[in-house]
Amino acid sequence: EAGVVQSPRYKIIEKKQPVAFWCNPISGHNTLYWYRQNLGQGPELLIRYENEEAVDDSQLPKDRFSAERLKGVDSTLKIQPAELGDSAVYLCASSPRESGHEKLFFGSGTQLSVL
Amino acid sequence: DQQVKQNSPSLSVQEGRISILNCDYTNSMFDYFLWYKKYPAEGPTFLISISSIKDKNEDGRFTVFLNKSAKHLSLHIVPSQPGDSAVYFCAARIQGAQKLVFGQGTRLTINP
Repeated sequence: EAGVVQSPRYKIIEKKQPVAFWCNPISGHNTLYWYRQNLGQGPELLIRYENEEAVDDSQLPKDRFSAERLKGVDSTLKIQPAELGDSAVYLCASSPRESGHEKLFFGSGTQLSVL
Repeated sequence: DQQVKQNSPSLSVQEGRISILNCDYTNSMFDYFLWYKKYPAEGPTFLISISSIKDKNEDGRFTVFLNKSAKHLSLHIVPSQPGDSAVYFCAARIQGAQKLVFGQGTRLTINP
């Protein structure tokens, strides 16, 4: 079974530039999450999707961040414009409906560096 | 407000000995606790979990203990092996909110 796939693995951009991350969850997993992990910290939830619906985006900085999950499968997370403080690892995770939302399967993440 | 805290950024243990990783929490609404393990350049992977109605869960070399009165969680690894060297994250689920709150992580190094 293929795991959660994320791309790109690394991204280096200058501040004020836009950037996008892509995620393909495990087949059949209804729930998709985007987390941000700052250096030396644990992952923090940005947004959670149930199928194509964003059911928890309370932690997403909506002035510059946006996300979408087309047809309830793949998802993209966008930052426009990027700021220096956005440098972090962006992790996508998915879980099956029956997991109770506690056992998450994470991708390898996208490491973003904003210069 | 850090609801889940791992106060030890790092831990070094001799191979074959017991590793004990600790986690403290503040929110009484957590109903499920988990440990994730993370290798460099990989995402965290689920290791073991425990419901708030239990005080112990064991899976092979890994045992998680929950002390609700102290709001304290610990992970015991015995015997420790070199492949256990990784960053370990404690996480807790908020009852009804269906989201996980993670601690800062503890880097475990197993020395041969």
